[in-house]
Amino acid sequence: NAGVTQTPKFQVLKTGQSMTLQCAQDMNHEYMSWYRQDPGMGLRLIHYSVGAGITDQGEVPNGYNVSRSTTEDFPLRLLSAAPSQTSVYFCASSYSGLAGPSGEQYFGPGTRLTVT
Amino acid sequence: LAKTTQPISMDSYEGQEVNITCSHNNIATNDYITWYQQFPSQGPRFIIQGYKTKVTNEVASLFIPADRKSSTLSLPRVSLSDTAVYYCLVGPSGSARQLTFGSGTQLTVLP
Repeated sequence: NAGVTQTPKFQVLKTGQSMTLQCAQDMNHEYMSWYRQDPGMGLRLIHYSVGAGITDQGEVPNGYNVSRSTTEDFPLRLLSAAPSQTSVYFCASSYSGLAGPSGEQYFGPGTRLTVT
Repeated sequence: LAKTTQPISMDSYEGQEVNITCSHNNIATNDYITWYQQFPSQGPRFIIQGYKTKVTNEVASLFIPADRKSSTLSLPRVSLSDTAVYYCLVGPSGSARQLTFGSGTQLTVLP
């Protein structure tokens, strides 16, 4: 199993550009989530999904869109990139929930995004 | 949201036991406590999870007092490879909007 994969590993965008960060998992997990990690701030939840066709907002959803058409894939879209979105983005999946029993999250390797 | 507080950094020597505490004073009844380990340029990795009292697995123990306002991750006999950032996560198994990651504790293990 590849686990959770993310592409690209690195990306540089200009302000106002759009792009999609890709995330895929091969563990048949129902839950998938996106986090951003900024220096000294830990991880903050952007959006999450409890199954195909179902998504919800996390703590910091503004400026990001998600959709989940299949169990395996959960792309994150930046509609109009801003310097404040410079961060490391992690995708994760879990069998059931983001915490608690069966809520063990498996994280991808991350995408380092710089917006100039 | 259950705000969490962790020490920014800790140093230890190889072979010692390390205890990292996370404070979560306003933890909710349905919140669980989970700890993750993160190495540079990698995603976090699950270590242990619990609700109350003590939980032990092959790599760590988690101590949660009766009032659940704090939790302590215990790493027995650390080695250099345990140098990493450790995060506590507090939240329910249901609504992810209530999920809160701590800001992390940088553990440095010295020879």
